[in-house]
Amino acid sequence: SSELTQDPAVSVALGQTVKITCQGDGLRSYYASWYQQKPGQAPVLVIYGKNNRPSGIPDRISGSSSGNTASLTITGAQAEDEADYYCNSRDSSGSQLVFGGGTKLTVL
Amino acid sequence: QVQLVQSGSDLKKPGASVKVSCRASGYTFTGYAMTWVRQAPGQGLEWMGWINTNTGNPTYAQGFTGRFVFSLDTSVSTAYLLISSLKAEDTAVYYCARVDDSKDAFDIWGQGTMVTVSS
Repeated sequence: SSELTQDPAVSVALGQTVKITCQGDGLRSYYASWYQQKPGQAPVLVIYGKNNRPSGIPDRISGSSSGNTASLTITGAQAEDEADYYCNSRDSSGSQLVFGGGTKLTVL
Repeated sequence: QVQLVQSGSDLKKPGASVKVSCRASGYTFTGYAMTWVRQAPGQGLEWMGWINTNTGNPTYAQGFTGRFVFSLDTSVSTAYLLISSLKAEDTAVYYCARVDDSKDAFDIWGQGTMVTVSS
């Protein structure tokens, strides 16, 4: 079982805003990183730290954190944002990393 | 450019061993740790652990001790994952990824290696 909890599936209308959340006790002390994975492809880092995007990641993707919850927000979702999204951080002990179960984002 | 290139898909029988390689290029290999991630068919990502590429010291996640071994050959900038006593449930895609400490994230990923365990 994962110590980071994500909703299995979320949908958003094209051009609208969607928030994907990740809950876990470790998030009170550590930031989450977020990964986008499209079918048949390797994951790609999209958010790290407080709210940082690697080069090439569009600025419509942002991150935030409050208490035990980390969030990934896509403002003005595009068809190419349809993918699985995974959060990653340390567990409550701080000694191990863990992935959330993943959220499948559908853009309608 | 910075990239990780993994070995090709493999089909093994139960009880056999498999060694997956991950060759790094475009950066100083020993400047970043390497992590391994498993993804069973239709399932999510599982963190398997990582290896310090300076010291060779591995850290294994719970559930990945005993049959899983991380190793390095720094002369060819390559990390390895050895899985022994293979079981059907080891069937998965295995990814290596570079650990960027400054980001506290996995910033470069290999393309993945599909390991199928079947009699």
